[in-house]
Amino acid sequence: GAVVSQHPSRVICKSGTSVKIECRSLDFQATTMFWYRQFPKQSLMLMATSNEGSKATYEQGVEKDKFLINHASLTLSTLTVTSAHPEDSSFYICSAPQPGQEGGNEQFFGPGTRLTVL
Amino acid sequence: GQSLEQPSEVTAVEGAIVQINCTYQTSGFYGLSWYQQHDGGAPTFLSYNALDGLEETGRFSSFLSRSDSYGYLLLQELQMKDSASYFCAVAHGQNFVFGPGTRLSVLP
Repeated sequence: GAVVSQHPSRVICKSGTSVKIECRSLDFQATTMFWYRQFPKQSLMLMATSNEGSKATYEQGVEKDKFLINHASLTLSTLTVTSAHPEDSSFYICSAPQPGQEGGNEQFFGPGTRLTVL
Repeated sequence: GQSLEQPSEVTAVEGAIVQINCTYQTSGFYGLSWYQQHDGGAPTFLSYNALDGLEETGRFSSFLSRSDSYGYLLLQELQMKDSASYFCAVAHGQNFVFGPGTRLSVLP
């Protein structure tokens, strides 16, 4: 199956700093990637859809100026959490749809990034 | 909008069969997927139903009834490693909406 990587796997930062999370498709090209946030014992909540070469589409209630998304190439999308606060502490996961089936049924998930803001 | 419902927890013993139900209300529907997630890990794809009926993949099967807006995941011959959270997800265009998840505990 397709492989998606994320970096870093864990990050601890001070309140007020910015954190960048990278999501890479290793063996396929992804014109679309998705960013999710998951709080402990809760479901995955879609934050935004990252589109290569164009602006990201944000879900209702997600601040686009706080969660900056850049999809600079067909294999890389980045999520930057700006001016992080303790309430931003969460598990951030990216995914990409099955290659060639952007409207299809399977998502390939990255391993996730555990963000802790002190 | 979309909403999905699942039981929050299910407990079963090794070797047993367990069924995890999912009901959904969506403004558009392409299919129902199931994902498994172990603690601290990423979700992994289990199955997908676009049409009514049963799809079987090894020990796991998934069922869909579009007329009832209902599906289930059936896990047979349970093993300890099956202890995890299971999410149903509705495909809605390119996006997916995930259910709240069912935490399955398999006891020896």
